[in-house]
Amino acid sequence: KNEVEQSPQNLTAQEGEFITINCSYSVGISALHWLQQHPGGGIVSLFMLSSGKKKHGRLIATINIQEKHSSLHITASHPRDSAVYICAVNPSGSRLTFGEGTQLTVNP
Amino acid sequence: NAGVMQNPRHLVRRRGQEARLRCSPMKGHSHVYWYRQLPEEGLKFMVYLQKENIIDESGMPKERFSAEFPKEGPSILRIQQVVRGDSAAYFCASSPGGVDYGYTFGSGTRLTVV
Repeated sequence: KNEVEQSPQNLTAQEGEFITINCSYSVGISALHWLQQHPGGGIVSLFMLSSGKKKHGRLIATINIQEKHSSLHITASHPRDSAVYICAVNPSGSRLTFGEGTQLTVNP
Repeated sequence: NAGVMQNPRHLVRRRGQEARLRCSPMKGHSHVYWYRQLPEEGLKFMVYLQKENIIDESGMPKERFSAEFPKEGPSILRIQQVVRGDSAAYFCASSPGGVDYGYTFGSGTRLTVV
């Protein structure tokens, strides 16, 4: 079993829909990261969380440390949000352990 | 202030050749991490370096792979005698410090072994 599990693996939405991607982890962590990767592109760090909730534009990330669970929400989704969203944690030291990613496609 | 710079963006090598991947961290960042993304797989940790020191290389294959981060210049990931299974995207990330700091990723180097 992976230390970091994401769901769903694939998600297709219509423009304007509210989107939720979930991440569960099985180890103690110091922080959780949400990353975005466009096809053939680099990786962009969206959020780093150790507790509570963060918001940036239409993106919201929450974490529940007791339940070892985090969610990434996208409000009013847009086709340009189409990308792979990756959850990653620091289980020990400062290196990251990654989930398999969620492929999001937003149709116009 | 440029971000993390990786070069080349794309690298094609024949089996048996050497591949050298470069990563220049963000200004002020002294911690560098290398990650590998095999086709259709998630990202996996390879090595963590600080200037002139390898801190954690537990994710590096035991043979043919090496990494350095010299006092001057970029970090280098070196793959000797490449094989088809080395074909992947290699990403570098940098950080100004330890676990309390975020990471900035480069655009990656796509290595293709033919």
